[in-house]
Amino acid sequence: EVQVLESGGGLVQPGGSLRLSCAASGFTYGFTFSHYAMSWVRQAPGKGLEWVSAISGSATDIDYADSVKGRFTISRDNSKSTLYLQMNSLRAEDTAVYYCAKTFGIHYQYYYMDVWGKGTTVTVSS
Amino acid sequence: EIVLTQSPGTLSLSPGERATLSCRASQSVSRTYLTWYQQKPGQAPRLLIYGASSRATGTPDRFSGSGSGTDFTLTISRLEPEDFAVYYCHQYGNSAPLTFGGGTKVEI
Repeated sequence: EVQVLESGGGLVQPGGSLRLSCAASGFTYGFTFSHYAMSWVRQAPGKGLEWVSAISGSATDIDYADSVKGRFTISRDNSKSTLYLQMNSLRAEDTAVYYCAKTFGIHYQYYYMDVWGKGTTVTVSS
Repeated sequence: EIVLTQSPGTLSLSPGERATLSCRASQSVSRTYLTWYQQKPGQAPRLLIYGASSRATGTPDRFSGSGSGTDFTLTISRLEPEDFAVYYCHQYGNSAPLTFGGGTKVEI
């Protein structure tokens, strides 16, 4: 059973930076981390889900929500089965629980998110 | 950007009752790319329905999804105590951004 585990959240001042990581494990039947697209989805306190960014299995396709474009960078290291989110120029409105989600297939626009982590909390405050 | 509007915002029902949740898209969404997630307090979302009507592994058969084009529905035939949660619809088939509906809270 595939599992994903986020880390790297914390308290950061406005304008600061933070890097989130998401370690994936449990791949079977010859499938590896590189066979799956990955996404970051966040949830502000008391609010709904907001898609943040996604990356295809081979990292050839990447997309961002307009709210984070130019400030956040998604990347992956397939040799380490790890997904990253580099967050720069953080704002109070970036405060949220950040979830890492595995996609059922190699591209995020053709397959659904089927495995979610428990999330890591990012708080942007002075 | 495709906007998903869920209604009602809150559904107050009793165990054993039927729940009907609506998800309306601002433009047509292929059934293939419409999913439903369930989220309980303090937990991550859990995949419930994919392809508009296919139950994910572990989803009880009291949950069913239907719809096409711009109107989709999640139905819970007989509510169990563990079904009280927030439900989100989600689309991903068009160009980015991927979007979620605002959620429907099913409460007792």
